[in-house]
Amino acid sequence: AQSVTQLGSHVSVSEGALVLLRCNYSSSVPPYLFWYVQYPNQGLQLLLKYTTGATLVKGINGFEAEFKKSETSFHLTKPSAHMSDAAEYFCAVSEGWDGGSNYKLTFGKGTLLTVNP
Amino acid sequence: GAVVSQHPSWVICKSGTSVKIECRSLDFQATTMFWYRQFPKQSLMLMATSNEGSKATYEQGVEKDKFLINHASLTLSTLTVTSAHPEDSSFYICSARAIGGAWQPQHFGDGTRLSIL
Repeated sequence: AQSVTQLGSHVSVSEGALVLLRCNYSSSVPPYLFWYVQYPNQGLQLLLKYTTGATLVKGINGFEAEFKKSETSFHLTKPSAHMSDAAEYFCAVSEGWDGGSNYKLTFGKGTLLTVNP
Repeated sequence: GAVVSQHPSWVICKSGTSVKIECRSLDFQATTMFWYRQFPKQSLMLMATSNEGSKATYEQGVEKDKFLINHASLTLSTLTVTSAHPEDSSFYICSARAIGGAWQPQHFGDGTRLSIL
């Protein structure tokens, strides 16, 4: 069974500082990994995804994440935080082959990012 | 691209009423749609998975007769909360996934805030 652990339910940074949101996964098969962002009272927006190939993936709004198989991690980073980055961030994993379960996503519990002026 | 529209965004109704929520993929065909429920400050809880033309697959503990799902076309799925009660009040989010394997991300609607009086 697959699982996702997001370390830190709440991360607070200053505007302009580095953003680092941690995600570790477990999967019995090569995983496909996703980061989503959720603003208040809205659905989830896809930030980036890792499927195959380059392990450093770039997404929207200046975010990027690196897939590290040896560490089973997929941490999300952004060099310089903006006030508009304040939101809830979810890491999710989808197994490469799921035996017919429609490729469901397993989500982490989320990390709330606050950006201080 | 990959826009999912969910309506209504907010519903307030009396106990005992049935409420229908629509989820449409606007610019792609969605072979699979998912329905989630999200409690305050928590992650998403998958309720059911629907495939076009087939019966929905419900997660354990989700009442099939309470939450009716119809996926009549490749661009539309509906969730009907039958005889809603205050405990059904929640934030409901749908997502849609295009044809393809696990590398295809889910694209989310903006959610529906359901309040039962």
